[in-house]
Amino acid sequence: QKEVEQDPGPLSVPEGAIVSLNCTYSNSAFQYFMWYRQYSRKGPELLMYTYSSGNKEDGRFTAQVDKSSKYISLFIRDSQPSDSATYLCAMSASGGGGNKLTFGTGTQLKVEL
Amino acid sequence: DVKVTQSSRYLVKRTGEKVFLECVQDMDHENMFWYRQDPGLGLRLIYFSYDVKMKEKGDIPEGYSVSREKKERFSLILESASTNQTSMYLCASNPGVAGEVSTDTQYFGPGTRLTVL
Repeated sequence: QKEVEQDPGPLSVPEGAIVSLNCTYSNSAFQYFMWYRQYSRKGPELLMYTYSSGNKEDGRFTAQVDKSSKYISLFIRDSQPSDSATYLCAMSASGGGGNKLTFGTGTQLKVEL
Repeated sequence: DVKVTQSSRYLVKRTGEKVFLECVQDMDHENMFWYRQDPGLGLRLIYFSYDVKMKEKGDIPEGYSVSREKKERFSLILESASTNQTSMYLCASNPGVAGEVSTDTQYFGPGTRLTVL
């Protein structure tokens, strides 16, 4: 079983929809959670970062962590065609710097006009 | 803004060739990483480095080596390229010190798509 599970999609939604992307994990030591967005043929770019449980909002994006369920989510409101990309979750056990990240395999999202 | 650059976007090599992939970061980051990314397998860590001349094996180091002679530069070497090393190679760097974001947050380069024939 992988440490981090992520549905690969593809997920196709109409423009303006609310999108929910999710990851589950098995390692209870994970405390730092990140979401990366990767456009086709480009490197991943950091989208959101959260520590421990709770919500964090940044514009149309909300990251949510439920450590009791070992479940993290990324919500995209008012989705746009420019949101079409692959979304990767990543997590680590400590914030000491230089620790390895454990990535999900990514969910491919397509927002259609 | 953090800038991580990789020497080539696309590369085609022949089986048995020695291949060098170069990565440079301009933010004085302590830590650098090499991954490969394959469909269905996600990002897999090949090697990482905490400091100049230091290296640590990742999850799939076989067939690869690395070099870090200067802080800003981290090179991935395929000693004898094979067709199963055809992949997207991603370099990343990380500050290594506490800051506003998780100190484990990594910043990625644009990737090198390597094809071995």
